[in-house]
Amino acid sequence: AQRVTQPEKLLSVFKGAPVELKCNYSYSGSPELFWYVQYSRQRLQLLLRHISRESIKGFTADLNKGETSFHLKKPFAQEEDSAMYYCALSDYSGNTPLVFGKGTRLSVIA
Amino acid sequence: DTGVSQNPRHKITKRGQNVTFRCDPISEHNRLYWYRQTLGQGPEFLTYFQNEAQLEKSRLLSDRFSAERPKGSFSTLEIQRTEQGDSAMYLCASSLSPGVKFFGPGTRLTVL
Repeated sequence: AQRVTQPEKLLSVFKGAPVELKCNYSYSGSPELFWYVQYSRQRLQLLLRHISRESIKGFTADLNKGETSFHLKKPFAQEEDSAMYYCALSDYSGNTPLVFGKGTRLSVIA
Repeated sequence: DTGVSQNPRHKITKRGQNVTFRCDPISEHNRLYWYRQTLGQGPEFLTYFQNEAQLEKSRLLSDRFSAERPKGSFSTLEIQRTEQGDSAMYLCASSLSPGVKFFGPGTRLTVL
């Protein structure tokens, strides 16, 4: 069964501190992993995907197939990073609907 | 084209009434998805279309729910005989096949 687990509902960090949002997955085939973000009063939007290997807004995420994880990291948190973050997966072709985790609310304290 | 749009943005209805939501995808996108999101949960897949064909339906989609995409452009999601448990945010997303899914702002349904 496909499943995405985000163990933390809420993560609070001070501005300038490192951030790590955890995501573990269960998938029988080859998955594609995503991080979506929802800022206050805005729609859900893609932050990054593992096949792009990009750094967006200072965030990076590495797919660890051995640990079935796709943790989101940023070395220095900013107040504008405060948002709801969702980890999601689909099959590697991108043809299947996304399966989402329950989300983690990141709160960056000034 | 400013992205995926959904109407209405909010709907309040009484239990037992029927409601219909509309989604207009990004114009060149051939895939359209419906998701439901309740408090404290991530979006949950309901159904999706490729052009006008409905390719997959989740078991979350009870018989009271029906979705259409008659000309392969906009889509409607109808809920008949609404129940309080139907209260949720209904999200629409579109994509090129395959490709990144772009989400609309959602329709928040409240069933009294």
